[in-house]
This record gives sequence, structure tokens and C-alpha cells, in this order.
Amino acid sequence: EVVLTQSPATLSLSPGERATLSCRASQSVSTYLAWYQQKPGQAPRLLIYDASNRATDIPARFSGSGSGTDFTLTISSLEPEDFAVYFCQQRSSWPPLTFGGGTKVEIK
Amino acid sequence: QVLLVESGGGVVQPGRSLRLSCAASGFTFSRYAMHWVRQAPGKGLEWVAFIWSDGSNKYYADSVKGRFTISRDNSKNTMFLQMDSLRAEDTAVYFCASHKGYYFEYWGQGTLVTVSS
Repeated sequence: EVVLTQSPATLSLSPGERATLSCRASQSVSTYLAWYQQKPGQAPRLLIYDASNRATDIPARFSGSGSGTDFTLTISSLEPEDFAVYFCQQRSSWPPLTFGGGTKVEIK
Repeated sequence: QVLLVESGGGVVQPGRSLRLSCAASGFTFSRYAMHWVRQAPGKGLEWVAFIWSDGSNKYYADSVKGRFTISRDNSKNTMFLQMDSLRAEDTAVYFCASHKGYYFEYWGQGTLVTVSS
């Protein structure tokens, strides 16, 4: 099973700042990695798939990069609605499809 | 627009059964594989099960294998999760999600299952 480790657990930033979230895989997943955003009481939303492709209607301030075992989600300038929890997920080796533990982006 | 609506959650005693439904609209359901994903209270996401568009193949997480059964009725645009021998650790919000290259593209709002005596 591929284990995904996200860091940091919590990121405290102000609106307008740049957010950099990390996801590290226990073995190479090539570029088969996605990122999701989840707000309290809501379902997750697909942001990025295949490491760097934005999903439908996702703003350009969200970008993904990386390959192999190290991946990054960058939010170039935080908007108020971006404060949420972010999860990564791999599809390289399954079953099972696995998720990281999440990074909470909170308002500083 | 795409809409996925889960139902069937509730409070159930350990060892009992529950059947969840996921009603789909706004897309051609019969062409899409589908998943169940769960989230224990205050925890992360866990993939539970996956079914091909025609229902011919099914996959499960080890934690539910042999206890849960995923199925679908394409004539009714609905997917199901039959959960037997429920345990306290199955307590979670259960989401259905549409498949996009083994990612989860569209999600329902979730239904809460609480296993407690």
C-alpha cells in the first residue's frame, strides 16, 4: 500500500499570501497524484489530477507539481474561500486508492 | 449539472446491516465507474469500494472486504453499498463519487453512518 504523508499538518497564513503544501509518497507514484479541497461540512472537491492538471472550473491560482515521490500544491495568492483542508490521493498502485492525512490551511 | 445524492445512513448496532444508496443525475450514469469513500468524524478520507460502469468488476478496501458489497442499477441511475457485520470503526460519513481515471471527480454530500450500541 502506498502511504502518502502530507506536511505541514497546519499552515497558518494570511489572505494574499502564497501557500505551499507538500505530499510525499512511500514509493514512486509517477505523476498519478491528485489534490482535493474540503471545507467544513462539505464533500471534497477535485482540484488537481495527474500532479499538475487543473480540474474543471478550478482557478489558475491553484497549481500542482512533482513526480515520483514528492509533490507540491501551490496556491499563489490565498483568497478567503481557500482556507480549508487539502488532501492528496494516489492512483498509481491500487487497490487500495490512498489519501494523505491532510493539511489544514488556516487564517493567521 | 452533475448531482449525486446519498441516502440510507443512520444509527445501527454493531453486527447489524445497513444499505446506502447513491442517486445520480446530470450525466450518463451507465458510462461511469463509481466509488464509495468514507470519512470518520474529524479524520481523513478512506477509499472503500469501486465498481465498473457495467457492474462487472468490483474492488474493496481490505478493511471492508467480505462485509461490504457494492452494486449498481443503471436503469435507475443508482449505486448501492450493502454493509453487513458493521463495526464501531465503520462509523463515518459515506460519500459516493464518480470516477475520473481513478480519481474522484464529483462527490455527493455524504450520509452519516453511526455504529453504536
